Amino acid sequence: EDQVTQSPEALRLQEGESSSLNCSYTVSGLRGLFWYRQDPGKGPEFLFTLYSAGEEKEKERLKATLTKKESFLHITAPKPEDSATYLCAVRDATSGTYKYIFGTGTRLKVLA
Amino acid sequence: EAGVTQFPSHSVIEKGQTVTLRCDPISGHDNLYWYRRVMGKEIKFLLHFVKESKQDESGMPNNRFLAERTGGTYSTLKVQPAELEDSGVYFCASSQGLAEEYFGPGTRLTVT
Repeated sequence: EDQVTQSPEALRLQEGESSSLNCSYTVSGLRGLFWYRQDPGKGPEFLFTLYSAGEEKEKERLKATLTKKESFLHITAPKPEDSATYLCAVRDATSGTYKYIFGTGTRLKVLA
Repeated sequence: EAGVTQFPSHSVIEKGQTVTLRCDPISGHDNLYWYRRVMGKEIKFLLHFVKESKQDESGMPNNRFLAERTGGTYSTLKVQPAELEDSGVYFCASSQGLAEEYFGPGTRLTVT
């Protein structure tokens, strides 16, 4: 059964303190791993798509990487405005469907 | 360009009543998805439309839920009759083919 696990559940960082969020997945055939940011009361906001092991994507202070079993979202020198819940989702190539399978997310709080 | 919109933003109904949620996808996106997040759980897939056709409805909980997509444009999700366990946040998303999905702000449904 397809499964996505995110860790840690919650993370508190001081402004400027770099860290990484983890997304471990089990799927029969990966058809994309997606990172989203979600602010309270809003819908998930797309950040990155990764398709194959070794792939990396960057945007401002965020960098996403992918291996055959997990993905990391690295946050370099975070600012308070980076505080949000970060969600990971995968698509399974063998399911014949486009649906996302989500993890429960990591709640990030960056303190000034 | 307008994003995905959902209406209403919040609905409070009594058990046994009917509620209809609406989603307007991004113009030109043939793929439309419904998801639900129940308190404390991950976002879960409900169903997927390609234009006006249901591609995958494997996530629909039971026959109290009915989704339609008129003319391949906007979509409605009706819950009839609503039960307490239907409470949660309902998200709609749209995409171009296998590209990333763009989410609406969600409708928070409370069944009392």
